[in-house]
Amino acid sequence: AQSVTQLDSHVSVSEGTPVLLRCNYSSSYSPSLFWYVQHPNKGLQLLLKYTSAATLVKGINGFEAEFKKSETSFHLTKPSAHMSDAAEYFCVVKNYGGSQGNLIFGKGTKLSVKP
Amino acid sequence: NAGVTQTPKFRVLKTGQSMTLLCAQDMNHEYMYWYRQDPGMGLRLIHYSVGEGTTAKGEVPDGYNVSRLKKQNFLLGLESAAPSQTSVYFCASSYRDVAYEQYFGPGTRLTVT
Repeated sequence: AQSVTQLDSHVSVSEGTPVLLRCNYSSSYSPSLFWYVQHPNKGLQLLLKYTSAATLVKGINGFEAEFKKSETSFHLTKPSAHMSDAAEYFCVVKNYGGSQGNLIFGKGTKLSVKP
Repeated sequence: NAGVTQTPKFRVLKTGQSMTLLCAQDMNHEYMYWYRQDPGMGLRLIHYSVGEGTTAKGEVPDGYNVSRLKKQNFLLGLESAAPSQTSVYFCASSYRDVAYEQYFGPGTRLTVT
């Protein structure tokens, strides 16, 4: 079975400082992993995805994530936070063992950015 | 190109009432999904469809029904609403299976009193 654990429910950073949002996964197969972002009162938007190509994945808005099989991690980073990055971020894994339509979402990490 | 749209945006129901949420996409996507989002729970899949005329159960299907009579529309029905169905509902679509990007609608906030 597949699962994801987001290690922090809330992260607060100052504008211009690095962002690190942590995600560990569990998967019986070579996983497909995603990060989605949800701005307040909006739907979710794909930031980036990993599907067994390069282990360092670059996404939109300067975010990137590194797939580390040995650590079963897929942490999301950004070198310099911007006020517009304040949102909730979801780490997501494809569920191979379940129904075709199944993504498994983490519980989310709310990112606050202080001026 | 509107992407994924949802109707209505807000709704308040009394226990036992019924309603239908409408999702429409104009990207010619095969797959469509209904999720619910509850605080601290992430998103959970209710039902999904892999093509016109097909539907399948997700993680939390009880109390909901769906239909996909047209490729561009995916309807979510609540036959007899319960307070436990108070949630924000999101529709999404993808070109093919979940390895492809899912495009989300803006959500419907439903309150059942």
